[in-house]
Amino acid sequence: GAGVSQSPSNKVTEKGKDVELRCDPISGHTALYWYRQSLGQGLEFLIYFQGNSAPDKSGLPSDRFSAERTGGSVSTLTIQRTQQEDSAVYLCASSPIATSGTDNEQFFGPGTRLTVL
Amino acid sequence: GIQVEQSPPDLILQEGANSTLRCNFSDSVNNLQWFHQNPWGQLINLFYIPSGTKQNGRLSATTVATERYSLLYISSSQTTDSGVYFCAVERHSGYSTLTFGKGTMLLVSP
Repeated sequence: GAGVSQSPSNKVTEKGKDVELRCDPISGHTALYWYRQSLGQGLEFLIYFQGNSAPDKSGLPSDRFSAERTGGSVSTLTIQRTQQEDSAVYLCASSPIATSGTDNEQFFGPGTRLTVL
Repeated sequence: GIQVEQSPPDLILQEGANSTLRCNFSDSVNNLQWFHQNPWGQLINLFYIPSGTKQNGRLSATTVATERYSLLYISSSQTTDSGVYFCAVERHSGYSTLTFGKGTMLLVSP
C-alpha cells in the first residue's frame, strides 16, 4: 500500500510569510506525528494527533506553529510569520494505533524541506 | 525527559566489514525503533524492537530493555549501507511519541 506522503517536497519562502505543510498518513492509521529535523537540533517532536485531536502539543516551538487534522486523515502544519530559524526539514509519521505500549511502529514520510530567506 | 545516546557518532568502514552501533537510553521504554536515513533524507524503518533480537538479511538488532541499551549489527557492509542510523525510543509512560538519538553517520567505502 501507499506510504506516508508529504507536500510540497520543497518550500522556499520569505521571512514573515505564512506556510502550510501537508501530510497524508497511511490509510487506516489512527495516530499522526509531526517532527522537525534541523542541523543544530537533530530530530525533534512537534505535535501528535490521536484521531483529530492533539493530546500532545508540547513540542511546538512557539505560538506561530499550529496544526490540525481532519477526518482522521490529512494533517496540515501551519507556520505563521516565518523566521529564518524555522528553516528545517519537517517530517510527518503515522502509526496504526494511538495508545502507547502496544504494537505501534511509526512510518515516516519523505519530509518537506523549508527554507526561509 | 528521556535521554538517548548513540555511539559511535561517525564510522568509516571498508566494504565487506562488520560493525556494531549502540544506543543507550536513560529510562524505561515501551518501544524502540532503528532507522536508516538515506542520502535523500528518507527515514527507512529497519527494526521495531522493544526487546529481544531480530534479524533481517545482513542486519540484526538486539535490545536489552532491563539494561537500557540496543545494538544494531551490520555484517558484510555495502556502499549502499552508507547514511545516518538513528535509534528512537518511546518512553514508558505518556504518549507514543519518539525521542531520537543524534545518530551514527556511517560511510562505507568501496
